[in-house]
Formats: sequence, structure tokens, C-alpha cells
Amino acid sequence: AQKVTQAQTEISVVEKEDVTLDCVYETRDTTYYLFWYKQPPSGELVFLIRRNSFDEQNEISGRYSWNFQKSTSSFNFTITASQVVDSAVYFCALSEAHNNAGNMLTFGGGTRLMVKP
Amino acid sequence: SQTIHQWPATLVQPVGSPLSLECTVEGTSNPNLYWYRQAAGRGLQLLFYSVGIGQISSEVPQNLSASRPQDRQFILSSKKLLLSDSGFYLCAWAPPGGRYEQYFGPGTRLTVT
Repeated sequence: AQKVTQAQTEISVVEKEDVTLDCVYETRDTTYYLFWYKQPPSGELVFLIRRNSFDEQNEISGRYSWNFQKSTSSFNFTITASQVVDSAVYFCALSEAHNNAGNMLTFGGGTRLMVKP
Repeated sequence: SQTIHQWPATLVQPVGSPLSLECTVEGTSNPNLYWYRQAAGRGLQLLFYSVGIGQISSEVPQNLSASRPQDRQFILSSKKLLLSDSGFYLCAWAPPGGRYEQYFGPGTRLTVT
């Protein structure tokens, strides 16, 4: 069965520090998709990125970057020069391509990031 | 562009009262629809999903039910609320066919007293 583990439950940094949020996944499927979501204090989950299992290229979007490594089953998320507005709960999620007619996501437990001024 | 609405935004209900939360999606057809619950400080729990009108799959047995009377409408209901039903309820949609991300609504914060 699929599983997503976010071992860091809470991280606290000072503004302008870099921070990496870890995500480790388990799946038997050879085709799958990985996602990151941000949940700010308002509560709505905001989609950040989707990666498929055949694309191991790292992705950079502004201060955000993602490191996908199939060899270690990890999909880590780094925020460079963190800002107070980055304070939120971040969720990593996995979707298997097969036997998943409902396109269900398996979420990790989330990491609460607190960026202090 | 697609948008997803949920209402009400907040709700305070006594134990034993009924519940009806509504979710609607605009700008897409035949979406997959999902209901999640998030207890305070906890992760996301998938409650129901639907791949079409009248098609509901339940992930967790409980005193909640879901219905999809129209293509872009998803309703979460209960006949009698329990204290343990308190939480943040999120509706989400995704394009059919898999491999896509889900997009979430603003959520409903339910407090059962």
C-alpha cells in the first residue's frame, strides 16, 4: 500500500534562512505522481507542484525548489530566503496511476513551518 | 477558469442535529469530487469521493454520508452530529482520468457543541 511520511512535524526558522521540508514515500506502482500543497492559516490548501515518476529533474520556481530522488523515494521541498508569509502547514502527497480510478491522493501528516521575523 | 465554492464557511451545531455542507465547482465538466476532514492540528482524512453523478465511494465508515445530485455539486450530510464530527471540512475537485492534482475549496469549519 502507498504511504507518505513527513517526519518533521514542526520547523521554526528565522526570516531569510533556507529551509528544507522532507517527504519520503512508499509505493509499488511504477507510475505515480507526487505533489506538494501549502495550507496557510486561512485553511485552504494551495497546490504548489506535481511531479510524475518518470521526471526526476529538479524544479525551481522563484524561492521554491523541489528535489525528486527515486533512489531514496524522496521528494523534498526547499524554501530559499524564507519569509514570514511562508509560515504554513505543508503537505506532500502521492497518487498512484494504477488501481486508482478515483485519482485519490495519499497525504503525509504535514509539516508546520513557522518563519519568525 | 475553474472555481470551487463551499458553504457555509463556519457552522456551530449542537450534538444530535442534522448537517448539510455544500460544494459546487464551476468551469469544468465531469470532475472527480472529494470530501476531506481535518481535525485540529491533524492531517487530512479522505471521507468520500465521486467520479460521477450518483456515484459515491466511502473511505471511512461513520455517521456521515455524501451525495452528488448534479455533475458539479457535492453534498456532505449527517442525520445526527456527534462531538467527534467537529473539524475542518474541505471539498476538492480534479479533472477525470487520474494523474492530476486536486484543487481545494476554502473549507467549512464545523464545531459541534
